[in-house]
Amino acid sequence: KAGVTQTPRYLIKTRGQQVTLSCSPISGHRSVSWYQQTPGQGLQFLFEYFSETQRNKGNFPGRFSGRQFSNSRSEMNVSTLELGDSALYLCASSLRDNYGYTFGSGTRLTVV
Amino acid sequence: GESVGLHLPTLSVQEGDNSIINCAYSNSASDYFIWYKQESGKGPQFIIDIRSNMDKRQGQRVTVLLNKTVKHLSLQIAATQPGDSAVYFCAENAGGTSYGKLTFGQGTILTVHP
Repeated sequence: KAGVTQTPRYLIKTRGQQVTLSCSPISGHRSVSWYQQTPGQGLQFLFEYFSETQRNKGNFPGRFSGRQFSNSRSEMNVSTLELGDSALYLCASSLRDNYGYTFGSGTRLTVV
Repeated sequence: GESVGLHLPTLSVQEGDNSIINCAYSNSASDYFIWYKQESGKGPQFIIDIRSNMDKRQGQRVTVLLNKTVKHLSLQIAATQPGDSAVYFCAENAGGTSYGKLTFGQGTILTVHP
């Protein structure tokens, strides 16, 4: 079966711009979580969605937002990009809570 | 606790040796744990998970041990192969309302020499 698909794989943006990243979970998975991975901070939880509802949120500024659609696909948006937002953004999907989380390959965002 | 970026510990082994990767966690409320393998340019790949009502779980060539008393998790890889070279992360979930939130360790770089 198809895994978690993230698009695009690579993205270069300028400071001040905004960006939208997409995540298609494994078919049947209704939980989608997002993470930011940087060399300095490691993997940090951004937020989690289930059935179009945000159930949990990490400690990131309001510039980071997300949503989930009725088909479980999810998007995250970062507005007013800063250099420090350069990172690998990963999403993970799960069939149900604490039943294994499968990650996608990520979107590498570079802010210049 | 939160994952903090630090200089990653490394483990270097010879092909065929057994590897043990350790992880300390700080949240005594955590009840679900996962080990992930991450290769360069890829997302974390699920290896094995364990729940807090267990202290050992085995998979193919891998064993996870959980010691809740000292909040310690370990991953044992038998007959390590060059293809096992990667960064390994432990992750925990505190259950309850911690929906979808995995707290990751800093990672350990495993290098397997042929």
